[in-house]
Amino acid sequence: GAVVSQHPSWVICKSGTSVKIECRSLDFQATTMFWYRQFPKQSLMLMATSNEGSKATYEQGVEKDKFLINHASLTLSTLTVTSAHPEDSSFYICSARDGEQYFGPGTRLTVT
Amino acid sequence: GENVEQHPSTLSVQEGDSAVIKCTYSDSASNYFPWYKQELGKGPQLIIDIRSNVGEKKDQRIAVTLNKTAKHFSLHITETQPEDSAVYFCAASKGSNYQLIWGAGTKLIIKP
Repeated sequence: GAVVSQHPSWVICKSGTSVKIECRSLDFQATTMFWYRQFPKQSLMLMATSNEGSKATYEQGVEKDKFLINHASLTLSTLTVTSAHPEDSSFYICSARDGEQYFGPGTRLTVT
Repeated sequence: GENVEQHPSTLSVQEGDSAVIKCTYSDSASNYFPWYKQELGKGPQLIIDIRSNVGEKKDQRIAVTLNKTAKHFSLHITETQPEDSAVYFCAASKGSNYQLIWGAGTKLIIKP
């Protein structure tokens, strides 16, 4: 089946710094990738839809200047959390669409 | 917009027994209904899906049923095993060009 990878799997950063998370589709090309955020014991919350070669579409309430998304190729999308604060600590999950949506393993971000 | 409700939030069954998780959706235009399994600290994994032109789909111990008239769909797991313990999410969408609308999740506990 289709495989999506994320890097890093976990990261700890200091408040005020920026963190980049990569999402790659390993064995297929994905015109569209999605970024989700998940708090403990809650469902996935869609943050943005990323289309290759164009600007991402952000969901209501998601700050586009804080969560920078770049979908530079058909196999790579990146999410950069800028000027991170402790409230940005969460589990970030990407997915890529090849008919169905296939999810990456997630990235645990902890901001101290 | 679409709304997906999922019940129960927690389900505990004896190993070997069956488990049933139910979801209802509000938008009659929805035509794709996937189920995802999420283990602790990992991304969701697609386990089965059904489209609106089909009433039931089965894959070994897992089956999904869809009632379009009542706008609800269910996940059935038979002969449950310890490795079935996880959080299960249902979702609905109007097709591959639309985002998934997620249920709140069901924590399935298999008692030995």
